[in-house]
Amino acid sequence: DGGITQSPKYLFRKEGQNVTLSCEQNLNHDAMYWYRQDPGQGLRLIYYSQIVNDFQKGDIAEGYSVSREKKESFPLTVTSAQKNPTAFYLCASSIGGGRDNNEQFFGPGTRLTVL
Amino acid sequence: GDSVTQMEGPVTLSEEAFLTINCTYTATGYPSLFWYVQYPGEGLQLLLKATKADDKGSNKGFEATYRKETTSFHLEKGSVQVSDSAVYFCALSESGANSKLTFGKGITLSVRP
Repeated sequence: DGGITQSPKYLFRKEGQNVTLSCEQNLNHDAMYWYRQDPGQGLRLIYYSQIVNDFQKGDIAEGYSVSREKKESFPLTVTSAQKNPTAFYLCASSIGGGRDNNEQFFGPGTRLTVL
Repeated sequence: GDSVTQMEGPVTLSEEAFLTINCTYTATGYPSLFWYVQYPGEGLQLLLKATKADDKGSNKGFEATYRKETTSFHLEKGSVQVSDSAVYFCALSESGANSKLTFGKGITLSVRP
């Protein structure tokens, strides 16, 4: 079964701690994305990667970091510099490049709560 | 920059009612247009898409037509079911771009029996 997995489903963090959210895909997709979802605000792009070892900031990258060492994996670290990290985080992937290859496939999400 | 505007929600309908969810967009080129659906506690699933003007996307009884002249991609369904209760997102991706999606804010649909 091909797809995107995110873990954990629920995550609790104390203020001041960094935390890393996992995202893995076995779809052989080149492009991967991280979004943040808050009530009433839709999805906002945090970071994206078009290819291994390369990534770009999205619209709300401050307080977050990513890495793309493997094609299958795109972990997101929420640092203590992120002022309001409580949210639902969604990872997505797409084949990458070109007009007809821009459909994105989403993981089930991780709900992060800062205590 | 690109933007997507969805009608304000939430929307509550009775089962078998007709559904229209409005979506308009602003883009510099010729974008592809998408509707995604999110069921409670889950990620997003692609519902339908259209890649050029006058294309109609359809799936599970839902339809949307890419209208370049009105820059719209309204979602319709002739008879909604309780199982259609979810959040619906309209999105666009610029042509020839790097696959980035721009989303609308989403609208919550509740269908009562």
